Amino acid sequence: AQSVSQHNHHVILSEAASLELGCNYSYGGTVNLFWYVQYPGQHLQLLLKYFSGDPLVKGIKGFEAEFIKSKFSFNLRKPSVQWSDTAEYFCALPGVSGGYNKLIFGAGTRLAVHP
Amino acid sequence: DAMVIQNPRYQVTQFGKPVTLSCSQTLNHNVMYWYQQKSSQAPKLLFHYYDKDFNNEADTPDNFQSRRPNTSFCFLDIRSPGLGDAAMYLCATSGGTSGNNEQFFGPGTRLTVL
Repeated sequence: AQSVSQHNHHVILSEAASLELGCNYSYGGTVNLFWYVQYPGQHLQLLLKYFSGDPLVKGIKGFEAEFIKSKFSFNLRKPSVQWSDTAEYFCALPGVSGGYNKLIFGAGTRLAVHP
Repeated sequence: DAMVIQNPRYQVTQFGKPVTLSCSQTLNHNVMYWYQQKSSQAPKLLFHYYDKDFNNEADTPDNFQSRRPNTSFCFLDIRSPGLGDAAMYLCATSGGTSGNNEQFFGPGTRLTVL
């Protein structure tokens, strides 16, 4: 069965620090991977996605993620965080249920950036 | 702007009193999803509609029902809310159900059960 693990549940950083959030998945087939972000009081929105091709994916707001197949990982990175990056970040993988795809989310990482 | 709208944003109900949450979309997407998200947890899929085709997750309690009268609207009915049903309920849409379809989320309805 497909699964997604995010090992860092809470991360606290100062502005300008570098960020790396871990995401590991379990799935043997063709992999599509997503990172979603939920800013305080706002809806979940797509940060970036990997379908195929270049394993280094660039998203909005300076975020990027690298798909490493041998490590079953899709870690999210940003070289220099800002206070406005304070949010909860979810890694997600399409799973299959009843013949239809659905999104399987990791437990999320809550990021707090201090000025 | 095309979007996913949820009403109300906050809903308070009493233990055992039926409640209905509403979702509408202007994206003209085929698929609409309902998720339950409890505090500090990942969103958990309850069910989804592909057009009028309803797909229930195996572990979704019978207490949760859904209706989709047309492409634009989808409702979540909780027949007898319990204290454990207090959560954020998220509606999402996508253009299809293949693995590369992005889901677009509404702002959620926060349900409180007294």
